[in-house]
Amino acid sequence: TQLLEQSPQFLSIQEGENLTVYCNSSSVFSSLQWYRQEPGEGPVLLVTVVTGGEVKKLKRLTFQFGDARKDSSLHITAAQPGDTGLYLCAGETSGSRLTFGEGTQLTVNP
Amino acid sequence: NAGVMQNPRHLVRRRGQEARLRCSPMKGHSHVYWYRQLPEEGLKFMVYLQKENIIDESGMPKERFSAEFPKEGPSILRIQQVVRGDSAAYFCASSPATGANYGYTFGSGTRLTVV
Repeated sequence: TQLLEQSPQFLSIQEGENLTVYCNSSSVFSSLQWYRQEPGEGPVLLVTVVTGGEVKKLKRLTFQFGDARKDSSLHITAAQPGDTGLYLCAGETSGSRLTFGEGTQLTVNP
Repeated sequence: NAGVMQNPRHLVRRRGQEARLRCSPMKGHSHVYWYRQLPEEGLKFMVYLQKENIIDESGMPKERFSAEFPKEGPSILRIQQVVRGDSAAYFCASSPATGANYGYTFGSGTRLTVV
């Protein structure tokens, strides 16, 4: 069974601070995806990383895929209240099946 | 372009009844996936379907659960004789093809409550 461990589970910070969310596994994934989920809605894809060591930036969000394709991180610079939400990482294996982490609930206080 | 449409958004069933959850994928998407999110837990894969074919149902409970994606119409996730433990949010996702270059688009989910 493939598992993805996300940390921290909860994170509450002040506006303007930086933060990093981690996603770790003992399994190798063909790709790693990050989603954001709002209450009462489905996950929305933020980014997909495919190559070991790959770094992708989306405005103030930086996503990195580990060299061995077993782990990933999401770094947010100068967090804003609008960044509040549940962030999920998901690893894809052959067969197009996603294994999700438990999620990180981020709260950015004004 | 409409996204992935799921209905109903909320469904209440008494124990023993049947629940039918519908999912219309995005236009042009022929791959459909169902995930379940139990309270306080992450999303868990249930089944992957293409038109008229079940590709991977390894995440489906062996009994009472079934899924289909007919040639015409939406994908249906069917739960027979529901029990309280079936209460969860059920999400459908679709993609145009397989592979990391094709993103998954999720619907807003159906929240099933079994009373």
